[in-house]
Amino acid sequence: EVQLVESGGGAVWPGGSLRLSCAASGFTFGDFTMHWVRQVPGKGLEWVSLISWDSGNTDYADSVKGRFTISRDNRKNTLYLQMDRLRTGDTALYYCTKDIDGWYGFDYWGQGTLVTVSS
Amino acid sequence: SSELIQDPAVSVALGQTVRITCQGDSLRSYYASWYQQKPGQAPLLVIYGKNTRPSGIPDRFSGSYSGNTASLTITGAQAEDEADYYCNSRDSSGRHYVFGTGTKVTVL
Repeated sequence: EVQLVESGGGAVWPGGSLRLSCAASGFTFGDFTMHWVRQVPGKGLEWVSLISWDSGNTDYADSVKGRFTISRDNRKNTLYLQMDRLRTGDTALYYCTKDIDGWYGFDYWGQGTLVTVSS
Repeated sequence: SSELIQDPAVSVALGQTVRITCQGDSLRSYYASWYQQKPGQAPLLVIYGKNTRPSGIPDRFSGSYSGNTASLTITGAQAEDEADYYCNSRDSSGRHYVFGTGTKVTVL
């Protein structure tokens, strides 16, 4: 059974930093592109970032580029999102998602970790 | 603002058919995927590619395309299909992913 378990969320001041983690199990983690998707409570979904299976390709939404860094450790089956210079607009539930190999989309999602940026 | 536009809300009578649309120029080049999200839950993939259902998704869910519009059809809607539905695909540049604005489906 595929499982994605996010952690690391919490409350932080504007300008602060947080590092999210996503522990993956139930599939060969190192074979797949992984993504972060976020959702402001009560609002829609926003794609945030992706990282290819070998970390050779990363990409970011314009709203987070230059502030967030995605990475992975295939030995530990773990995905990360380093979030720096956080803004109040980054407040959201952050989901770790697995890429549908060969297609555009996400076939497995974690339950999310909540990030609150507030003064 | 999203490059994939969905109607904010639709309603359907129990057992009837409802079509949810997702409009955007990128859909002329890229397939969409569709997600169902119920309150307090993570999104669930229901359709991807041309018209593929993941294992466990009922066959009353189907996908189709016409021009710049992708559609998700629920044939014989059930009470448990009441949820928010989002489409997703590449953006017009092809570099990033983008979600639709979301459609709230109410089953009457």
